Amino acid sequence: DTEVTQTPKHLVMGMTNKKSLKCEQHMGHRAMYWYKQKAKKPPELMFVYSYEKLSINESVPSRFSPECPNSSLLNLHLHALQPEDSALYLCASSQDSTSYEQYFGPGTRLTVT
Amino acid sequence: GENVEQHPSTLSVQEGDSAVIKCTYSDSASNYFPWYKQELGKRPQLIIDIRSNVGEKKDQRIAVTLNKTAKHFSLHITETQPEDSAVYFCAGNTGKLIFGQGTTLQVKP
Repeated sequence: DTEVTQTPKHLVMGMTNKKSLKCEQHMGHRAMYWYKQKAKKPPELMFVYSYEKLSINESVPSRFSPECPNSSLLNLHLHALQPEDSALYLCASSQDSTSYEQYFGPGTRLTVT
Repeated sequence: GENVEQHPSTLSVQEGDSAVIKCTYSDSASNYFPWYKQELGKRPQLIIDIRSNVGEKKDQRIAVTLNKTAKHFSLHITETQPEDSAVYFCAGNTGKLIFGQGTTLQVKP
């Protein structure tokens, strides 16, 4: 399996809801990433996990909470989001955090109402 | 920190022509430069990359060149086809990927 998968594909949530985004890879990669992408803009790094430990948090608001239950899975828990958080959320993985080739999942299109 | 600038922001070419997208970076410690292609509504896809110990790399119709002295690198697409139409992002890397702002390439049939 050479793909990164993400669920759900689309998500609409209210500002008081709690939801989670899921990411999975079976390439044996030990680094996983969350990015946020607005329309016509480059991906912005949010979090990096290396060997299941959080290694980078790009000063992301606490309403986004990442979790790495095991080496294949990455979650992003969402709570009390704002409309400006609406974006495409991309997961990526690489062999490890020093191996720069990152492979992206298809993303979750999030709309906050 | 690293800063990557990408030009042009939009590029329109006729099918069969060549397309060139240029990026400059600020941090001389950057040692890995990938190019991603993102079609509308799809994931960024790694199409080619180059490391700082190499000056040029080619893969069929695409090539990347790197000038470390001038701190710039370029993507060259030859014999463009309509399916090459997409947004292209360059990136530098000093521990994390730093993306350029993207180039929207339109290939007209």
